Parts: sequence; structure tokens; C-alpha cells
Amino acid sequence: GIQVEQSPPDLILQEGANSTLRCNFSDSVNNLQWFHQNPWGQLINLFYIPSGTKQNGRLSATTVATERYSLLYISSSQTTDSGVYFCAPQGGSYIPTFGRGTSLIVHP
Amino acid sequence: DTEVTQTPKHLVMGMTNKKSLKCEQHMGHRAMYWYKQKAKKPPELMFVYSYEKLSINESVPSRFSPECPNSSLLNLHLHALQPEDSALYLCASSQDWVGELFFGEGSRLTVL
Repeated sequence: GIQVEQSPPDLILQEGANSTLRCNFSDSVNNLQWFHQNPWGQLINLFYIPSGTKQNGRLSATTVATERYSLLYISSSQTTDSGVYFCAPQGGSYIPTFGRGTSLIVHP
Repeated sequence: DTEVTQTPKHLVMGMTNKKSLKCEQHMGHRAMYWYKQKAKKPPELMFVYSYEKLSINESVPSRFSPECPNSSLLNLHLHALQPEDSALYLCASSQDWVGELFFGEGSRLTVL
């Protein structure tokens, strides 16, 4: 199956800082999702992005499928951005494969 | 608000108990999923139902028994579980095989 690597594994920021999270995948994908898992365990959909760039408020994502990576940008981070960020590409089987996640802590 | 509803949110059971986790969606999705998540790990796929038929079973032990009574409901029947089965159980749905995945809030299971 598809292999997924996310970096960095852990990230600590001060409120207001910007950050970039990366997701590399080993094979061609039909689609890719980014999720935020809050401290209560809820997985929140951020982006459904097979290619190109999308923006939603302070967050944006870019997927370059031909180079097998996706980036999630968080600008002006807030304490509520804390949690774990997962990318989940969908390969030939169409079943999303989760990376190990990036754990983000934003300090006030 | 999530449109995938899971009950109960918390469950504590003994190793001899029989219990069920329930999941409901009203988005007209035809694919439904059970994932298991241990602490500090990514969600791990257990089962996939497509058009109410079991399509994928990721070699899950038989003490976990899924059921899809109709296109809106997904159950996970639990019997003779072990303490290592304690985890967050997440239900998800998507339009069909290819589509955005939407998760419920999860059921946090503790097996004593």
C-alpha cells in the first residue's frame, strides 16, 4: 500500500507564528485529505485536495501530485490550532491511508 | 457540528460483556467505515461497507463484528474483548468509494 510520511512529528509555536507541515507519499494518489484532530479526539476536515492550492481563512494547502507531496500552511497560529494534523492520501485502493501526524502545540 | 453521530461517547465494559457501538449518518453516503485509534497513533482501518455490503475487513479479530442494517446505520458489536482493545473507535462515511471522508466524534472504549 501507499506509504505516508509527515514532518515534523512535533511542533511547538508561540501564538501568532506561521508554520508549514509536510506530507510525502510513495505513490500516485486520486485524492488527499488534511484533518485536524482536536484534544477531544474529533477529526475535523480541513482540505480535500488532489492537486493545486486551496485556502480557508488562516489555513491553506498545496498538493503537488506529480512530486508526491502536500503542504499545509498555518498562518498567525492560535491556541485553538493545537492538536494533531493528519494527511490521508487515497491511492489506487481509494481507501485513505493516514500518516503518523504532526503534533502541534501553540502557546499563548 | 458533525453529521456523523456516534453513540455512546464513552463505554466501559468487562471482558465477558457484550456491547455495541452505533453510528448514523444522514448525508446519503453509501460507504461507511470503522477505524480504531490508540493513543498517539493514527487511525487504523478496521472495516469498510459499500452499499451496505462488507467490502473490506482488515483482518480484524472475530470479537469485533460489524453490521450495516441500512445505508444510514453502522454498528460494531463487541464481545469478549481484551484490555488491549481499549481505544477510540471512529466511524466515518463518504459519498462512495471515492469521496471526502467525514468522521464522527468517536466512542472511547475502556475494557477492564
